[in-house]
Amino acid sequence: QVQLVQSGAEVKRPGASVKVSCKASGYIFNRHAIHWVRQAPGQRLEWMGWINAGNGDTKYSQKFQDRVTISRDTSASTAYMELTSLRSEDTAVYFCARDWGWSYTSYYFDDWGQGTLVTVSS
Amino acid sequence: DIEMTQSPASLSASVGDRVTITCRATPAINNYVAWFQQKPGKAPKSLIYAASTLESGVPSKFSGSGSGTDFTLTISSLQPEDFATYYCQQYYTYPPTFGPGTTVDIK
Repeated sequence: QVQLVQSGAEVKRPGASVKVSCKASGYIFNRHAIHWVRQAPGQRLEWMGWINAGNGDTKYSQKFQDRVTISRDTSASTAYMELTSLRSEDTAVYFCARDWGWSYTSYYFDDWGQGTLVTVSS
Repeated sequence: DIEMTQSPASLSASVGDRVTITCRATPAINNYVAWFQQKPGKAPKSLIYAASTLESGVPSKFSGSGSGTDFTLTISSLQPEDFATYYCQQYYTYPPTFGPGTTVDIK
C-alpha cells in the first residue's frame, strides 16, 4: 500500500531554514507528483508547491515562491521541502501528499504523509 | 485564486444522525472538488473526489454531490469514528485551495 513517511518535528529560530523529507513506498515514485501542504494552528490547509518526481519540474505557490524549494532523490524515493527565512507565522504542520494523476498533475491528493510539526520560536 | 467556503463551521450531532456539509466555490469549478476527513493530530484522509466518487475503502455512508459552485458531503448515519473535521478542496485550477473546514462533534 502507498506510504509517505515524513521526518520528525523541528524547532527553529527565526531567520533559520528547515528541510523536511518525505519517503515514499508502495508505488512507482517517478509516476506521481508530490505536493507540500501546510496547516498552521487553527487554520485551513494551504498548498505550497509540487514537484514532478519524474523530471524534477517544480511549481510553487506565489506566497512561498521566494522562500521554498522542493526537490527529490529518485534513488531514495524521497521528496524534500526546504523553507528559508523562517518566521513565527511559519509554525505549522507540514504535510507531503501524493498526486492522484499518473504521469500528470491533477492537484488532487490521494495519499498523505503523517505530517511534520515545525515550530519557529526565539 | 478560487475561494472555497463551507457551512456550517461546526455542528453537533448524535450517533445515527444524518449530517450534511455544504461547500461553495467562487467561481465555478465544474466537479473538481474533493472531500477530506481530518482527526486531531492526524493527516487528512481522502474520502471523495470528482464531487461524488468514493475513494477506495471509504464506506458508502459517505456521499457527495454537486457541480459548478455548490457541493455537499453527506454522512448517512453518523458513527463515533466520524467525529472529525471535514474539508473540501478544489483542484479545478492552480493553485489548489481548501475550505476552512467543518467540525463535527458529539451532541
